[in-house]
Amino acid sequence: AQSVTQLDSQVPVFEEAPVELRCNYSSSVSVYLFWYVQYPNQGLQLLLKYLSGSTLVKGINGFEAEFNKSQTSFHLRKPSVHISDTAEYFCAVSDEGSGNTGKLIFGQGTTLQVKP
Amino acid sequence: DAGVIQSPRHEVTEMGQEVTLRCKPISGHNSLFWYRQTMMRGLELLIYFNNNVPIDDSGMPEDRFSAKMPNASFSTLKIQPSEPRDSAVYFCASTSHPGASTDTQYFGPGTRLTVL
Repeated sequence: AQSVTQLDSQVPVFEEAPVELRCNYSSSVSVYLFWYVQYPNQGLQLLLKYLSGSTLVKGINGFEAEFNKSQTSFHLRKPSVHISDTAEYFCAVSDEGSGNTGKLIFGQGTTLQVKP
Repeated sequence: DAGVIQSPRHEVTEMGQEVTLRCKPISGHNSLFWYRQTMMRGLELLIYFNNNVPIDDSGMPEDRFSAKMPNASFSTLKIQPSEPRDSAVYFCASTSHPGASTDTQYFGPGTRLTVL
């Protein structure tokens, strides 16, 4: 069975500082990996996704993530955060072998708190 | 495109009452997902449909929950009778290419359900 672990429930950081949100997954087959962001009182929005190819994936709002197969990780990074990045971030995995259902397994989420 | 539309945005009801949540997926999308989000359990997949057919309802908590998709543009999630522990935010998401490399789930704004 697949699972996703987000190692930090909350990450406080000062504005303009770099940030890394950690995500590890467990799967016996190849996967697709996603990061979603949820702003207060809103639905989830896709930040970026890894499907294949280059292990460094660039997304919206200056975020990027690196797929590391040996460490089964997909950490999200941003070199300089803004107050507007304050939100909850979810890592998710989709099983390539799930019969093309597109079913996603989400991590518990990490709350990014950007302080002025 | 208007995106995924959910109604109502907020619902407050009393224990024992029937609750119906509604979702209109993005036009042309053929897969629809219902999620529940709580502080304790995070984001859980309840059920998903492909071409209006329920594919996996293993996440539905119990028989009090039921979901239907009578056509490609409408789905309902019903709770009868409702209980206080059903209080959560319920999200609907849709996608046009489940499992394919272009797969992205688009989320609605959610329905915040409070059962007193």
